[in-house]
Amino acid sequence: DARVTQTPRHKVTEMGQEVTMRCQPILGHNTVFWYRQTMMQGLELLAYFRNRAPLDDSGMPKDRFSAEMPDATLATLKIQPSEPRDSAVYFCASGRDGGEAFFGQGTRLTVV
Amino acid sequence: AQSVAQPEDQVNVAEGNPLTVKCTYSVSGNPYLFWYVQYPNRGLQFLLKYITGDNLVKGSYGFEAEFNKSQTSFHLKKPSALVSDSALYFCAVRDKGRGADGLTFGKGTHLIIQP
Repeated sequence: DARVTQTPRHKVTEMGQEVTMRCQPILGHNTVFWYRQTMMQGLELLAYFRNRAPLDDSGMPKDRFSAEMPDATLATLKIQPSEPRDSAVYFCASGRDGGEAFFGQGTRLTVV
Repeated sequence: AQSVAQPEDQVNVAEGNPLTVKCTYSVSGNPYLFWYVQYPNRGLQFLLKYITGDNLVKGSYGFEAEFNKSQTSFHLKKPSALVSDSALYFCAVRDKGRGADGLTFGKGTHLIIQP
């Protein structure tokens, strides 16, 4: 049963520390999304890749966030330095052009 | 820019009654439309999609949705609600003509099915 895998599932870190979240998309999918979910803002699109190329990262705070796809089996989202306002659930999703996106279980990040 | 509106934060329905969760969208071109469901502490699960063709789309768990182009709506429906349908539901849109745009989600609607 193919699924998107995210690690870690939970992360507690101190303000100022670097956080790296990883995502393994479903094999054969050519689009990858990073979303952030909070009670106040709902689901926000942070970054969008197609064929490993970044197409849209306008929703991402550029000064501290970065998203990459070093290869087709790995997507990463980094926050450096982290701040308490970054506390949220971060979701990775993958799909094919024009089709539905399949979501991972998310990384629950708490910055203290 | 593309956007989605889910006008109800919460919908309450008695078990066995029909349910409707509303969604309207805005895109500059033609839309791809999706519904997802989220259970507590879980990721989003895909329910159904409209790409082209019949305006009535059938999906998982007995859900269906009707695409109405003139009203720019894509309401989610089910003829008979189950308590287990209680969850958070999201509508999403992507503009077919703008391949560089990701999926845009609505704020979500809490569906509560009362026994």
